[in-house]
Amino acid sequence: KAGVTQTPRYLIKTRGQQVTLSCSPISGHRSVSWYQQTPGQGLQFLFEYFSETQRNKGNFPGRFSGRQFSNSRSEMNVSTLELGDSALYLCASRPGTSETQYFGPGTRLLVL
Amino acid sequence: AQSVSQHNHHVILSEAASLELGCNYSYGGTVNLFWYVQYPGQHLQLLLKYFSGDPLVKGIKGFEAEFIKSKFSFNLRKPSVQWSDTAEYFCAVTSTSGTYKYIFGTGTRLKVLA
Repeated sequence: KAGVTQTPRYLIKTRGQQVTLSCSPISGHRSVSWYQQTPGQGLQFLFEYFSETQRNKGNFPGRFSGRQFSNSRSEMNVSTLELGDSALYLCASRPGTSETQYFGPGTRLLVL
Repeated sequence: AQSVSQHNHHVILSEAASLELGCNYSYGGTVNLFWYVQYPGQHLQLLLKYFSGDPLVKGIKGFEAEFIKSKFSFNLRKPSVQWSDTAEYFCAVTSTSGTYKYIFGTGTRLKVLA
C-alpha cells in the first residue's frame, strides 16, 4: 500500500496570507490527524477527523481549521498567517480500529 | 492536563554504549503508550507500543521499553547502540477511553558517534 502523502512538501508564505495543506491517507484508513512540529515543542496535536467529522481538537486558535472528504483525504487551512506558524505540519492516518498512526513526510511551512 | 515529559533533550553516545531514554506521563486514566522514531530525512515511524499485558515490550531494531505504572513511566532502552540509531525519539500517550488524542513529548535527539 502507498503511504501517507502530503502536498505540497514546502511552502513559503508571508504574514497575513492563508495556506491550505493536503493529506492523502493510506487506503482504507478513515482517521486523519494533524500535528504541528517545531524545535523544542515537539509534536502538538491540531485535530483529528474520522469519517468526515472532527473528533478531537487541540489547543490552537480558530485560524487553524480542517476538513475531511468522503474519500478520507483531508485538508488543513491556516488563515492570517503569523511568523510563529512556521513549522513542519505532519499528517497521520490510522484505520480507526487501531491506535497506531502512520505519518506522512510533512509540509514545511515558512512564514516571512 | 495530560502531558508527556522527556527529560533528555539531547543525548550523545558512542557506538556500543547502552541507551535509556526517559519518558514520564501525566494522565488520570488507563493509557496506551508509544515510542516513535524520526531518522534524518525520514518519516516518523513506530518503534514500539504498549497497550496491555507484559509491561516489557520489544520493538524493532533491538529496542525495548518498560511500562512502570506506579512511576507513570515508559522508558526506552537499547543495550548497544549503533551509528544508524542516530535519530529523534518521541514518546506518546493516548487514553484508552476512546478520545484518540495523542499527546507527544518534546523529543530526544540521539547522536551516536562511530
